[in-house]
Amino acid sequence: SQKIEQNSEALNIQEGKTATLTCNYTNYSPAYLQWYRQDPGRGPVFLLLIRENEKEKRKERLKVTFDTTLKQSLFHITASQPADSATYLCALDMRGNNRLAFGKGNQVVVIP
Amino acid sequence: NAGVTQTPKFQVLKTGQSMTLQCAQDMNHNSMYWYRQDPGMGLRLIYYSASEGTTDKGEVPNGYNVSRLNKREFSLRLESAAPSQTSVYFCASSEARRNEQFFGPGTRLTVL
Repeated sequence: SQKIEQNSEALNIQEGKTATLTCNYTNYSPAYLQWYRQDPGRGPVFLLLIRENEKEKRKERLKVTFDTTLKQSLFHITASQPADSATYLCALDMRGNNRLAFGKGNQVVVIP
Repeated sequence: NAGVTQTPKFQVLKTGQSMTLQCAQDMNHNSMYWYRQDPGMGLRLIYYSASEGTTDKGEVPNGYNVSRLNKREFSLRLESAAPSQTSVYFCASSEARRNEQFFGPGTRLTVL
C-alpha cells in the first residue's frame, strides 16, 4: 500500500540551530513534492515545491532535498527561531491524477 | 484579496441532520478541493474539482456530495451527518494541478 511517513514525535530544537525533518514514502512515484506549514487552528500554508529532476530547492532559511532513489525528502530550517514553531506537512503528487497525498505532519518546537 | 474563505467556522449537528459547507476563492483558480483533517490521520481528500463544471471523488467521498457552483465557489454537503464525520474541514484552491494549494481557515464540525 502507499505510505507517506513523517516522524510522529515532535522535534524540540534550540533557537539558532538547524531543524531537519524527514518525509519518506513507499509505492509512490511522485513527479513533485511540496512542503506546507500549519499553525494550530489554521489551514496549511505552502512553503516550497521541488520537482523530481531537482535535487535541492532553497527559500530564505528553508531548504528541501528530494531523493527519488531513496524515496525521501529532507526539509531543513536553518537558524531556527521560535516563530518557526509549527507543524510541517509534506505532500506528494499522485502522478496521473489531480491529487496531492499528505503526510501526517511533524511538529517543530523551537526553544528560545 | 481574501484568498479562500469558508463558512461557517464552527458547527454542531445532531446525527441525521444535513448541512452545506461553503467555500469561495477570489484568485481565479481553476482547481478546488475539500479535505478533512482528523487527529493522527493527516489531511485526506474528500472531493476535488479540476475545473468549473467537473468534480471527482477523492480518498474519502462516502457520505458527502459537492457542487462546483461557478469558478469561485465549491460547496460540500453532508446529507445525513454521522458522528464519524466530526472533523475539521478545509477547502483549498490552486491555479492548476501541479501548483501550490491555498487553504481556507477551516470549518470545525461536531456531530453528536
